[in-house]
Amino acid sequence: QSALTQPPSASGSPGQSVTISCTGTSSDVGGYNYVSWYQQHPGRAPKLMIYEVSKRPSGVPDRFSGSKSGNTASLTVSGLQADDEADYYCSSYAGNNKVFGGGTKLTVL
Amino acid sequence: QVQLVESGGGVVQPGTSLRLSCTASGFTFSGFPMHWVRQDPGTGLEWVAAISYDGSEKYHADSVKGRFTISRDNPRSTLYLQMNSLRVEDTAVYYCARVGRYYDILTKGSFDYWGQGTLLTVSS
Repeated sequence: QSALTQPPSASGSPGQSVTISCTGTSSDVGGYNYVSWYQQHPGRAPKLMIYEVSKRPSGVPDRFSGSKSGNTASLTVSGLQADDEADYYCSSYAGNNKVFGGGTKLTVL
Repeated sequence: QVQLVESGGGVVQPGTSLRLSCTASGFTFSGFPMHWVRQDPGTGLEWVAAISYDGSEKYHADSVKGRFTISRDNPRSTLYLQMNSLRVEDTAVYYCARVGRYYDILTKGSFDYWGQGTLLTVSS
């Protein structure tokens, strides 16, 4: 069982918005602003999409945004495109440890 | 361009040892903290270990503490993971990953570059 809880699946039609949640505790997500999100296409390495809750690395479209409320972080993908279909993982600092969520499979209908 | 290339995976029996390597290029390896992350297809991503830019600071996940050791050779631009007393549950794809900015604590960093991974299968 993963340390952070994500829904196993999410879906949306092209052009729509989808939000994926990531729930932890006050010892990880809720206690610090060091939550990151990764996108992983099948057979590929993960790609950083969001770091420090809401910051986007260079090259990541502004359709991807992150936020946090209490012990739950969220990734919102706006204007869904076919290439957004992938697995998404959240991760958080947790003291001398780093924890991941179990992953959410995003399907573009 | 930044490249991370893992090697050393394979099929081994429980109780044996193996060392994974990650060779870096395209950036000043000695200036960046590095991590190992593994992925079991059934359970997602799991953080394994972290090492500071100069190797002076190391952290290991509880699941591997006492069995795995992270290290680095900066002149060779290579990251290592020495794995002893391997268990069936260590079976996974092992990725090395770079933390691209400074953080005061190793495990705060997010991973801006990842290797392609190397598969370790532990089976009798």
